[in-house]
Amino acid sequence: NAGVMQNPRHLVRRRGQEARLRCSPMKGHSHVYWYRQLPEEGLKFMVYLQKENIIDESGMPKERFSAEFPKEGPSILRIQQVVRGDSAAYFCASSLTTSSTYEQYFGPGTRLTVT
Amino acid sequence: GNSVTQMEGPVTLSEEAFLTINCTYTATGYPSLFWYVQYPGEGLQLLLKATKADDKGSNKGFEATYRKETTSFHLEKGSVQVSDSAVYFCALTEGGSQGNLIFGKGTKLSVKP
Repeated sequence: NAGVMQNPRHLVRRRGQEARLRCSPMKGHSHVYWYRQLPEEGLKFMVYLQKENIIDESGMPKERFSAEFPKEGPSILRIQQVVRGDSAAYFCASSLTTSSTYEQYFGPGTRLTVT
Repeated sequence: GNSVTQMEGPVTLSEEAFLTINCTYTATGYPSLFWYVQYPGEGLQLLLKATKADDKGSNKGFEATYRKETTSFHLEKGSVQVSDSAVYFCALTEGGSQGNLIFGKGTKLSVKP
């Protein structure tokens, strides 16, 4: 059973460009979370999605950031017009349920560098 | 709101030393508590968890006990190895309609031979 997959692992964008980060959850998992890790900091929740639905986007910046989890294919985190402050590691996690007793499995992350 | 506070690092120990990383939490309900470990350049791996008061989570020689009276979940290991060098994150979730994890800032551990 493959784990959570993210690609690309490393992404370099110039200021003003768009960044697209992909996440394929573990097989059978329908709950996807995106987290951002700034340098020397812990992970901060961004958005929680189920298939075709955004359940909680309370951690997402109001502008330039969007996320989707279509019926078919991976979840996508999209950052438009990137700025240097967007440079961070972005982690995706998936789980079978939202039960607090059930763990989230993390992908290896995408490290975004904005130049 | 819910939050997690863990001791700041970095923590540097010699091999075979005793490890404690403190973690306290604030939560409105009855959260589950987790310790995750992040090795350099990698994602997070679940180290251990506890889902109710007085539960003890343990794995790979690490252990932590869910203490509701002190709202703590301190991580301990009796004898650390060089391979334990990593960043350790304490986290909580209350599950339910959200289910997202709330993380502490992480504690970097370096173990010297």
